[in-house]
Amino acid sequence: AQSVTQLDSHVSVSEGTPVLLRCNYSSSYSPSLFWYVQHPNKGLQLLLKYTSAATLVKGINGFEAEFKKSETSFHLTKPSAHMSDAAEYFCVVSTGFQKLVFGTGTRLLVSP
Amino acid sequence: EPEVTQTPSHQVTQMGQEVILRCVPISNHLYFYWYRQILGQKVEFLVSFYNNEISEKSEIFDDQFSVERPDGSNFTLKIRSTKLEDSAMYFCASSDLRTGGTEAFFGQGTRLTVV
Repeated sequence: AQSVTQLDSHVSVSEGTPVLLRCNYSSSYSPSLFWYVQHPNKGLQLLLKYTSAATLVKGINGFEAEFKKSETSFHLTKPSAHMSDAAEYFCVVSTGFQKLVFGTGTRLLVSP
Repeated sequence: EPEVTQTPSHQVTQMGQEVILRCVPISNHLYFYWYRQILGQKVEFLVSFYNNEISEKSEIFDDQFSVERPDGSNFTLKIRSTKLEDSAMYFCASSDLRTGGTEAFFGQGTRLTVV
């Protein structure tokens, strides 16, 4: 069965420094992987997706993620954090058209 | 930009009452979903719906729950005889086969509070 593991429940960075949110996946076949963001009291917004095209995926707001099959990882990065990036981030794997399986989430804290 | 809309944004109900959560998926999408997020926990899949029938459901989605697409635009989740543990944020989502199908667009959620 497909699953994702987010390795950090909280990540704290200073504004202007790089962001790294880690995610490992488990899948019996080539997965579709996503990162979603949830700002406080808001819905889920798609940041980026990987669907077996380019392994480096660029998303909105300067985020990108690299699919590494050898490491079964799909880490989310951003070169320079902004205060508005503070939110909960979910790594997600798709089981096909049926459903998405969410990780437990990583709360990103950005300090001035 | 098309979006999934959910109503109401917040609903408070007494234990034992029935609630209906409403969603308008993105027009022309073919797959519809309900997910829930209990406070402080991860987002959990409840049910997927395609071609006017349930295509998959989780163990959470027992006889207390039902879904319906009563017309061409709405998609509803009914919870009969609500329990305290049903308190959660409920998200509706939809996806489109033609864009790869696996990307789901989520609504803003309905926060259900059972008292």
